[in-house]
Amino acid sequence: DTGVSQDPRHKITKRGQNVTFRCDPISEHNRLYWYRQTLGQGPEFLTYFQNEAQLEKSRLLSDRFSAERPKGSFSTLEIQRTEQGDSAMYLCASSSLAATRSYNEQFFGPGTRLTVL
Amino acid sequence: AQKVTQAQTEISVVEKEDVTLDCVYETRDTTYYLFWYKQPPSGELVFLIRRNSFDEQNEISGRYSWNFQKSTSSFNFTITASQVVDSAVYFCALGATEGYGGSQGNLIFGKGTKLSVKP
Repeated sequence: DTGVSQDPRHKITKRGQNVTFRCDPISEHNRLYWYRQTLGQGPEFLTYFQNEAQLEKSRLLSDRFSAERPKGSFSTLEIQRTEQGDSAMYLCASSSLAATRSYNEQFFGPGTRLTVL
Repeated sequence: AQKVTQAQTEISVVEKEDVTLDCVYETRDTTYYLFWYKQPPSGELVFLIRRNSFDEQNEISGRYSWNFQKSTSSFNFTITASQVVDSAVYFCALGATEGYGGSQGNLIFGKGTKLSVKP
């Protein structure tokens, strides 16, 4: 399957612990996005990368959040000192100008559901 | 500011009924894209359609049709002869066009409309 994959699918952690999520985009997609979705809401943009460069961060991305895409392929999202308010679905998406003639057509992964106890 | 409003939180219909999901957007961009995504109970967002702001032609794909009206900043989605498998949360989203400044690339989603189709 050549879709966007995310790991793990579910993560339960205790408040104060650090967690890291991984996203593997569609092969050769040069843009990768992270979104957060809480219950009953639409996805909210967190950050995105073009190749390995992180081009934009949302105000939602506090200092406890960090994202990397070291080689322009997979990406990781780390949350330090988790809080109960971090409980959400974390979605990854990728896109490619070459494939669709528009950066905005994004293909989403299945998400990682984080529960902070 | 950019914003997407989906005023209908939940809609329930009986199978074979037609249903329209409303979407109203706000943007200062002169060129932009609009999207609809489907999120079934499994959780994965599925891309349905992308519309360029220059193209106001309505589009039909099988039982799905989209009505884009720039004058009212609306991009409504109609499902004809709904089926149980259409039950999902549907999101409308707005994206800025590359090169026009502001948030380039990310999507701004509405809160979604939960559609329940009963047999």
